[in-house]
Amino acid sequence: DAKTTQPTSMDCAEGRAANLPCNHSTISGNEYVYWYRQIHSQGPQYIIHGLKNNETNEMASLIITEDRKSSTLILPHATLRDTAVYYCIVRVGNDYKLSFGAGTTVTVRA
Amino acid sequence: DSGVTQTPKHLITATGQRVTLRCSPRSGDLSVYWYQQSLDQGLQFLIQYYNGEERAKGNILERFSAQQFPDLHSELNLSSLELGDSALYFCASSVGHSGSTDTQYFGPGTRLTVL
Repeated sequence: DAKTTQPTSMDCAEGRAANLPCNHSTISGNEYVYWYRQIHSQGPQYIIHGLKNNETNEMASLIITEDRKSSTLILPHATLRDTAVYYCIVRVGNDYKLSFGAGTTVTVRA
Repeated sequence: DSGVTQTPKHLITATGQRVTLRCSPRSGDLSVYWYQQSLDQGLQFLIQYYNGEERAKGNILERFSAQQFPDLHSELNLSSLELGDSALYFCASSVGHSGSTDTQYFGPGTRLTVL
């Protein structure tokens, strides 16, 4: 699996968009970008995933650069409940495991 | 709510003991995964079962074993427990089909404390 690089932490103001970057410069053509988050010791929560195209769902948007070497997760209107550790993971679609790195600790402030 | 259930929520036991953690996957999911999250190791993949058969193994100790039953629920057995086994144990499930993306959904976890 390709390795990912994320900032250790970031702050965001409540109601503003949170843009979480992820570098995955060694990603292979058949590897997807997945995002999960973990809110204080709860089970990791699936957010979104994509291969090449930008994706949007009710939780977030995923922007993948054309060369696929980096991506950005966008939380459009951050709330205090979005405070969590966010993990960017690249994997082949049906790979048996998820390899979690250290992630980005996002703190949303009122 | 992911639809994955785990019991018990908390477990406190002593060194040398044996415990069983239980996981029920989402309706329709055939694959179950077990992960361990300790303070110094992050989330580590332990083992995967698909439709009752072991499919993949990760960093699972020999003292640990798992199985998946015909009704697709899974149990993780931890024996000869040591202080270092204290951790959060998460179960995840997915449809399990190949050839396409297969998203894993996690349960709320079991917090194991070994005293």
